[in-house]
Amino acid sequence: DTAVSQTPKYLVTQMGNDKSIKCEQNLGHDTMYWYKQDSKKFLKIMFSYNNKELIINETVPNRFSPKSPDKAHLNLHINSLELGDSAVYFCASSHASNQPQHFGDGTRLSIL
Amino acid sequence: SQQGEEDPQALSIQEGENATMNCSYKTSINNLQWYRQNSGRGLVHLILIRSNEREKHSGRLRVTLDTSKKSSSLLITASRAADTASYFCATAANSGNTPLVFGKGTRLSVIA
Repeated sequence: DTAVSQTPKYLVTQMGNDKSIKCEQNLGHDTMYWYKQDSKKFLKIMFSYNNKELIINETVPNRFSPKSPDKAHLNLHINSLELGDSAVYFCASSHASNQPQHFGDGTRLSIL
Repeated sequence: SQQGEEDPQALSIQEGENATMNCSYKTSINNLQWYRQNSGRGLVHLILIRSNEREKHSGRLRVTLDTSKKSSSLLITASRAADTASYFCATAANSGNTPLVFGKGTRLSVIA
């Protein structure tokens, strides 16, 4: 059984478009996250949700909007995509902020 | 700001040798975690060591923590080609909802 699943795995689109990435976890975790990993493998937290409520919102352009319809889902919507948005985006979940995280396999976003 | 810094950035060894990776951090922590990332996949949690622990083992993995030096090491014994991956340390703060902060990782190549 997949613990944290995110779709799509690959996303190729043009500058200026709007796209969404979906994430679901079946671990019963209370906390979910979105990370951006750049070409140098640096993993930067973007958002953290606990029980559907936003608790962490790092310095991220407001073109990025997370949405948590329930505890098991955290989706990421991106408006007006820019070249610099090209990266791998990871969803993760955990019981609490200082506990081990379970990661999805990432969504590779390429902006043309 | 970034907390963990792994050293070295890249490491190449022969199968059967031991691999040691180091992580340094800056502020006090609740725990420190090590993760592995295979190419094209999400991060996988390996081991968690609490701030009051000095050493922990899991199979071929040995983690040490020196809070006075604010450093940790991950030792992989009798390495295998399948250990080829990037390894990240992540620090968990003492305070409530602060998310894990990941280092930049060490890229380990095990040559058969």
